[in-house]
Amino acid sequence: AQKITQTQPGMFVQEKEAVTLDCTYDTSDPSYGLFWYKQPSSGEMIFLIYQGSYDQQNATEGRYSLNFQKARKSANLVISASQLGDSAMYFCAMREGRAAGNKLTFGGGTRVLVKP
Amino acid sequence: EAGVAQSPRYKIIEKRQSVAFWCNPISGHATLYWYQQILGQGPKLLIQFQNNGVVDDSQLPKDRFSAERLKGVDSTLKIQPAKLEDSAVYLCASSFRGYLKGHDYGYTFGSGTRLTVV
Repeated sequence: AQKITQTQPGMFVQEKEAVTLDCTYDTSDPSYGLFWYKQPSSGEMIFLIYQGSYDQQNATEGRYSLNFQKARKSANLVISASQLGDSAMYFCAMREGRAAGNKLTFGGGTRVLVKP
Repeated sequence: EAGVAQSPRYKIIEKRQSVAFWCNPISGHATLYWYQQILGQGPKLLIQFQNNGVVDDSQLPKDRFSAERLKGVDSTLKIQPAKLEDSAVYLCASSFRGYLKGHDYGYTFGSGTRLTVV
């Protein structure tokens, strides 16, 4: 079974608009962390935002916010006021606790293209 | 602080040849990871080290792939012999802690090695 599922292979978004990238996860571990990374065409993996499973509030980092719905096991990324430089692949990832070896598992990614 | 260093940046080899990749993690980072990222897919963990010990290598094709981290610092990943399906970007990452604690923000990734097998 997929641990991390990103159902949107690609999306277009108009510059200055907001976009929501979907991510659902599957784990039985009560202690886990959720990450979003951006990977531009140059290939580097850029950390965007982190949400811990015990965090009471949704994480925010500048124009990025994470809509964490624990009961639904979803961790959607919202990018507000999209910029041309936001065009990239976006990956959702989950790290489970010690019992699972603390490894980071990635979803298949969503490609975002921002239109001027 | 310096980032995660990887070399070479690009490599083209013929199938059945061997190849090695090198990674130098951030100083003090005990945990080191190798990921394989096939074009258009998310990264897949190949092997995870904690200091110089292997924590997880369940997805490493051990008949052809090997990895070591002898002194608990830098690491090498080797493929011998290479197959066409090994064409991918090989990402190395490191983290200070191998476990969740507080606001551990996880991993720092290198720029990757793009391998093309022809």
